[in-house]
Amino acid sequence: GAVVSQHPSRVICKSGTSVKIECRSLDFQATTMFWYRQFPKQSLMLMATSNEGSKATYEQGVEKDKFLINHASLTLSTLTVTSAHPEDSSFYICSGWVVGTEAFFGQGTRLTVV
Amino acid sequence: GDSVTQMEGPVTLSEEAFLTINCTYTATGYPSLFWYVQYPGEGLQLLLKATKADDKGSNKGFEATYRKETTSFHLEKGSVQVSDSAVYFCALTRIQGAQKLVFGQGTRLTINP
Repeated sequence: GAVVSQHPSRVICKSGTSVKIECRSLDFQATTMFWYRQFPKQSLMLMATSNEGSKATYEQGVEKDKFLINHASLTLSTLTVTSAHPEDSSFYICSGWVVGTEAFFGQGTRLTVV
Repeated sequence: GDSVTQMEGPVTLSEEAFLTINCTYTATGYPSLFWYVQYPGEGLQLLLKATKADDKGSNKGFEATYRKETTSFHLEKGSVQVSDSAVYFCALTRIQGAQKLVFGQGTRLTINP
């Protein structure tokens, strides 16, 4: 199957700083990318949907100014957590999707804000 | 809204044991149902899927049947192996082709030799 590479796999940052997470589709062009978040013992929750070259669509309750998503090319989407706080500590995972196929997921990023 | 509920883990079994991981869903209409697996250090991979009632998805010895009457999609395997140790996620989507997925919380499975 297709490969989505997500980096970093783990990151620890200080409260108030920003963290960027990259998601790359290595062998296909992802028309649409999804960003999910999972808190301990809870489901993966969709945060936002991004289409290449246009603004991301955020799910209800997700602050678009805090979670900046850029999908500048068909192979790269980034999620930046701005002014991170301990409550943003979570597992973030991206997926790339092409029309007519399944969704392909990255390895996920474990963010810890201290 | 749509939701998926999985049996809570972790689940620990011995090799060659029979596996069932329960999954039930709440959704209007006729969602597509999926099982994803995440091996340590890797991304989620599609394990199997079913798109309509009574469909059976199968892959790598795993099976799940779409039961609309009980709104369930339980994952089963007759004889598990150590290599099946992973986290399993049940999921649904109501939007055809858009892959906007609603996930269960995941079940961690450990198989001991």
